[in-house]
Amino acid sequence: QQQVKQSPQSLIVQKGGIPIINCAYENTAFDYFPWYQQFPGKGPALLIAIRPDVSEKKEGRFTISFNKSAKQFSLHIMDSQPGDSATYFCAAMRSAGQNFVFGPGTRLSVLP
Amino acid sequence: EPEVTQTPSHQVTQMGQEVILRCVPISNHLYFYWYRQILGQKVEFLVSFYNNEISEKSEIFDDQFSVERPDGSNFTLKIRSTKLEDSAMYFCASNGGYNEQFFGPGTRLTVL
Repeated sequence: QQQVKQSPQSLIVQKGGIPIINCAYENTAFDYFPWYQQFPGKGPALLIAIRPDVSEKKEGRFTISFNKSAKQFSLHIMDSQPGDSATYFCAAMRSAGQNFVFGPGTRLSVLP
Repeated sequence: EPEVTQTPSHQVTQMGQEVILRCVPISNHLYFYWYRQILGQKVEFLVSFYNNEISEKSEIFDDQFSVERPDGSNFTLKIRSTKLEDSAMYFCASNGGYNEQFFGPGTRLTVL
């Protein structure tokens, strides 16, 4: 119930491609779904987040799609760049102040 | 821009020794967290702290772990008797009462 599943484990795309990372959850009490980007040796940094009352959110090149009935959400990176190469974690939280449950991560490599 | 800071960046210790990892959360934040990340694995929740007490803890956070906010700025994680399997990156995070959690750069703990 507390798990967040994430796929794929790793992803390689060419520059300009659109990598898509998918996550799924079971606990319907989750109501906040962030994506974090992590570079080697650094802490996770918030990229974009969504609440279940909207189906899509876009910030710059990053878009979250949210399917509440399927309990799935995904991250799309438009016009990907080599600088986007990092590990991406989806997460879920029940309510403000609660801890995050993280997915296992996706290692993205964007080739020049 | 305010940020979470952590010291030291890297701590090497012998098995059985006590370590204290230190964090300075963002100054007006109310919720504090410790997470850990074993190399190549997902970020795992350890403990959350609010109003000077533990609000939630995971099964990882056993009697060997303790947290403290000794003054108005620091937030510490103590591991009383370190084990080899405690080797990981430890991240502190803080939250101002809303959804977003801000992560520090982490402390790499190596237990020999």
